[in-house]
Amino acid sequence: GAGVSQTPSNKVTEKGKYVELRCDPISGHTALYWYRQSLGQGPEFLIYFQGTGAADDSGLPNDRFFAVRPEGSVSTLKIQRTERGDSAVYLCASGVGAGNTGELFFGEGSRLTVL
Amino acid sequence: AQRVTQPEKLLSVFKGAPVELKCNYSYSGSPELFWYVQYSRQRLQLLLRHISRESIKGFTADLNKGETSFHLKKPFAQEEDSAMYYCALGAASKLTFGTGTRLQVTL
Repeated sequence: GAGVSQTPSNKVTEKGKYVELRCDPISGHTALYWYRQSLGQGPEFLIYFQGTGAADDSGLPNDRFFAVRPEGSVSTLKIQRTERGDSAVYLCASGVGAGNTGELFFGEGSRLTVL
Repeated sequence: AQRVTQPEKLLSVFKGAPVELKCNYSYSGSPELFWYVQYSRQRLQLLLRHISRESIKGFTADLNKGETSFHLKKPFAQEEDSAMYYCALGAASKLTFGTGTRLQVTL
């Protein structure tokens, strides 16, 4: 009975490097969300997948950020040319339905530190 | 655009005292409101949602559309209630979170 799994739990990288963060949702959940949480802030929406397609990517801050979910299960958040301001905890959540109608189940997050 | 405001970063109460965590929202349509909680070293999890109109761990929250508020209340705080609480608004297939309030229950 695994919950949402995120790897790595911690990632330290240098400015300018490329980073991938992985999310393994609860089996059968079609909705998958990525959020970013900076220190002292609430989770900030990045992108929402329904199945394989990105239904809403309006929260991605710029074109350095990209996410995929090719088979409708595992998702990868990709960040190119990382900047110090990208340092945050990246949260993944999954649900049976969309977040506004049902419960979202969160992972423990991937803490990204850009030096 | 939707917005959630939690005016208090920290709320400190004594054990047995009443608790009220404030949440106000801004949204032009009919939103769904939630409270999520994060206990120490645990992941973020749903506490309650307004459509259920239920009490979870002694907490209740009433949606007041006139005041656009969804305050979380508990009559008697317990030590295990100490956690980070986030109010969230569900609309357009996503949740928008407030900045959170840390509840600290002391003896």
